[in-house]
Amino acid sequence: LAKTTQPISMDSYEGQEVNITCSHNNIATNDYITWYQQFPSQGPRFIIQGYKTKVTNEVASLFIPADRKSSTLSLPRVSLSDTAVYYCLVGDGGNTPLVFGKGTRLSVIA
Amino acid sequence: EAQVTQNPRYLITVTGKKLTVTCSQNMNHEYMSWYRQDPGLGLRQIYYSMNVEVTDKGDVPEGYKVSRKEKRNFPLILESPSPNQTSLYFCASSPGLLSYEQYFGPGTRLTVT
Repeated sequence: LAKTTQPISMDSYEGQEVNITCSHNNIATNDYITWYQQFPSQGPRFIIQGYKTKVTNEVASLFIPADRKSSTLSLPRVSLSDTAVYYCLVGDGGNTPLVFGKGTRLSVIA
Repeated sequence: EAQVTQNPRYLITVTGKKLTVTCSQNMNHEYMSWYRQDPGLGLRQIYYSMNVEVTDKGDVPEGYKVSRKEKRNFPLILESPSPNQTSLYFCASSPGLLSYEQYFGPGTRLTVT
């Protein structure tokens, strides 16, 4: 099971682009990379998922280099409401438990 | 509205008194999971279910039981709760493979005294 490593916390000012990097050195060939967002006392919410290169949706972009040993979640022009914990997960969807880890606590400052 | 519901949302109980936290989803999802969240420890998976009558242990299954008799329901059972099971519990479901988009319930805050 691929283990992920993320920064514990990050601070940013409103309007800036925020990049959160996740390291997953032993990612397997069949593994996908998925990011979730969690606000206090709420369940996590799916943000984005990818396998390689770049994926973009209305909320974020996910950059995955060719070796897939890391990935970067990019949040454009963050606002105060983006203050949350962000989790990076790696897995192939097989019959193994998903591991959320401790995530990255993003604080957006006015 | 597509959603995962949990009941109760808040529960205070005493050590040893059996309890059940219900979880239900209306999206016809095959996969369902239970997590607990504790300060500093992140989200940890308790049990998950790939389909009806198929369940398996997650990272922290001790002290918990689950059942999956119907596709939409996945109750979490604490036969003899202890104070170390005081936590915030989340149920989740997903349409297919576990690694993909999961839908989480609103959470159940359990306190065992």
